[in-house]
Amino acid sequence: EVQLVESGGGLVQPGGSLRLSCAASGFSFSSYWMTWVRQAPGKGLEWVANIKQDESDENYVDSVKGRFTISRDNAKNSLYLQMSSLRAEDTAVYYCARLQGWGRFDSWGQGTLVTVSS
Amino acid sequence: DIVMTQSPDSLAVSLGERATINCKSSQSVLYSSNNKNYLAWYQQKPGQPPKLLIYWASTRESGVPDRFSGSGSGTDFTLTISSLQAEDVALYYCQQCYYIPYTFGQGTKLEIK
Repeated sequence: EVQLVESGGGLVQPGGSLRLSCAASGFSFSSYWMTWVRQAPGKGLEWVANIKQDESDENYVDSVKGRFTISRDNAKNSLYLQMSSLRAEDTAVYYCARLQGWGRFDSWGQGTLVTVSS
Repeated sequence: DIVMTQSPDSLAVSLGERATINCKSSQSVLYSSNNKNYLAWYQQKPGQPPKLLIYWASTRESGVPDRFSGSGSGTDFTLTISSLQAEDVALYYCQQCYYIPYTFGQGTKLEIK
């Protein structure tokens, strides 16, 4: 069974940094693109970033470019999102998801809440 | 960026009746080389992550009940629930998976009438 478990969320002040982790199990992690999707409280879904199997390619939504960095460790079956210069509008539940085929997200974690507030 | 617009924003349907949700993309998501539409549908219940229902506009994900179906091509798509069950109460999102940034519709809230 595919499992994705996020961690690392919490309360952070504006301008601060946070690193999210996603532990994957139940599938060959190194064979898949992986992605982060976020959902602000009471709002819709927003794709944030994705990363290729060998880290040779990564993509970001414009609103986080230069502030967020996606990475992975295939030996540890783990996905990461390093977030810096955080803003109030980054407050959201952050989901990690497996990217299947061309851009569809077929397995999701339960999410981790990031709150940016003073 | 491709803008995805769903209609309606909310929908109330009686149990056993048909529910239809529409999704329109600002650009075609049909890839001519393989004739596939890169459009997916997700269901999200309160407190849960989204669940993939449909991909390539009309292919049901494994394990999804056959009362869920998707149709459409190019820029106009529809998710249909043929006979609404109580467990189908949820938010539904369409997503284009053709262009980066991947973008979602604003969501449609489905309730029981």
